[in-house]
Amino acid sequence: GAVVSQHPSRVICKSGTSVKIECRSLDFQATTMFWYRQFPKKSLMLMATSNEGSKATYEQGVEKDKFLINHASLTLSTLTVTSAHPEDSSFYICSARAGGGAGTGELFFGEGSRLTVL
Amino acid sequence: SQQGEEDPQALSIQEGENATMNCSYKTSINNLQWYRQNSGRGLVHLILIRSNEREKHSGRLRVTLDTSKKSSSLLITASRAADTASYFCAIMDTGRRALTFGSGTRLQVQP
Repeated sequence: GAVVSQHPSRVICKSGTSVKIECRSLDFQATTMFWYRQFPKKSLMLMATSNEGSKATYEQGVEKDKFLINHASLTLSTLTVTSAHPEDSSFYICSARAGGGAGTGELFFGEGSRLTVL
Repeated sequence: SQQGEEDPQALSIQEGENATMNCSYKTSINNLQWYRQNSGRGLVHLILIRSNEREKHSGRLRVTLDTSKKSSSLLITASRAADTASYFCAIMDTGRRALTFGSGTRLQVQP
């Protein structure tokens, strides 16, 4: 099946630094990628929709200047957590959909990236 | 919030028993999907049921969908200790292209 790779799987950083998380579709082209955030023992909350070659669409309450998303190619989207603080510590998961169109089918998920901000 | 609600929040059963999880949602949907997540890991897609389908099977999994009640259920038959995980329903509603996840059910299967 389709594979989505996230890197790094774990990252620990100091407060005030910026952290970049990569999401790659390894065997298909993903015109759309989605970034989710998950707190411990909670559900996944959609943060933003990333479209190749255009600006990301952010969900209500998500700071676009805080969580920078870039989808520069059909196989790579990046999430940069800028000036990270302890409350940004979370599990970030990306997902990707192959091709375009209505996109009502299955999404493929990365393994997630656990961010810990000290 | 469009997020679905799942019940129970937690379920503990013995190996060999069946496990049933329920999901309710609020919007019109294109499809509803169930995912599994082991602790600290990514999501594994289990099954997708379209809005015009009422029941679907995949191995030991059985999913039902009642669009009039805006609800779905996931049944895992003959559970195994390896089924221990969190299970999430996710809806693809008619107006969006992203999945909205339910609150999840944590399943513990005792060997």
